[in-house]
Amino acid sequence: HLQLQASGPGLVKPSETLSLTCIVSGDSISSNYYYWGWIRQPPEKGLEWIGTIYYDGTTYYNPSVKSRLTISVDASKSQFSLRLTSVTAADTAVYFCARHRGGYNELFDSWGQGTLVTVSS
Amino acid sequence: IQMTQSPSALSTSVGGRVTITCRASQSIHRWLAWYQQKPGRAPKLLIYEASNLEGGVPSRFSGSGSGTEFTLTISSLQPDDFATYHCQQYNAYPWTFGQGTKVEVK
Repeated sequence: HLQLQASGPGLVKPSETLSLTCIVSGDSISSNYYYWGWIRQPPEKGLEWIGTIYYDGTTYYNPSVKSRLTISVDASKSQFSLRLTSVTAADTAVYFCARHRGGYNELFDSWGQGTLVTVSS
Repeated sequence: IQMTQSPSALSTSVGGRVTITCRASQSIHRWLAWYQQKPGRAPKLLIYEASNLEGGVPSRFSGSGSGTEFTLTISSLQPDDFATYHCQQYNAYPWTFGQGTKVEVK
């Protein structure tokens, strides 16, 4: 049974860097068929896909955050990570990690519980 | 591609029929998914490729549409169905979601 667990600091100061890690269990992060993604949800707002990574390190970033975002993967630890620089209040959100299905149906079929990150001084 | 859901919220009684619309700013063929999200929880995949039910999803949920207009229908609303529903297009990068539709108890 696949489980994804996101973790990281709940409070980040403006202009600093937000770092989160998602640990994957119950499935291989090195699967040929799946990618691994990050999606965020600002308070009382909709979902925004921010980036995805394949086990070989290939990345896909949303242009809205591309200049500030780095996603990396450590297959030996079965985890992938997000690093968002120069954060502002607009980056305050619940951040979800999710399994991103490959092939024709590029949707998110399994999600972690989410972690709230607040950007505030 | 911008995704617009309507309505933003609706109130329905248990047993009632619910229809939610999702419109894309350009054709996405049938590359659309629907998710259900309960308060404080992660979204759950319900439907993919516009009308295919994900495994384990009750048959009272159905999806239809193609091109730019899609609908999610719940034929007989159950207490467990009160939640927010999101659509997502995966026709083109970057993948985008609608703003969500909240289904509340009447």
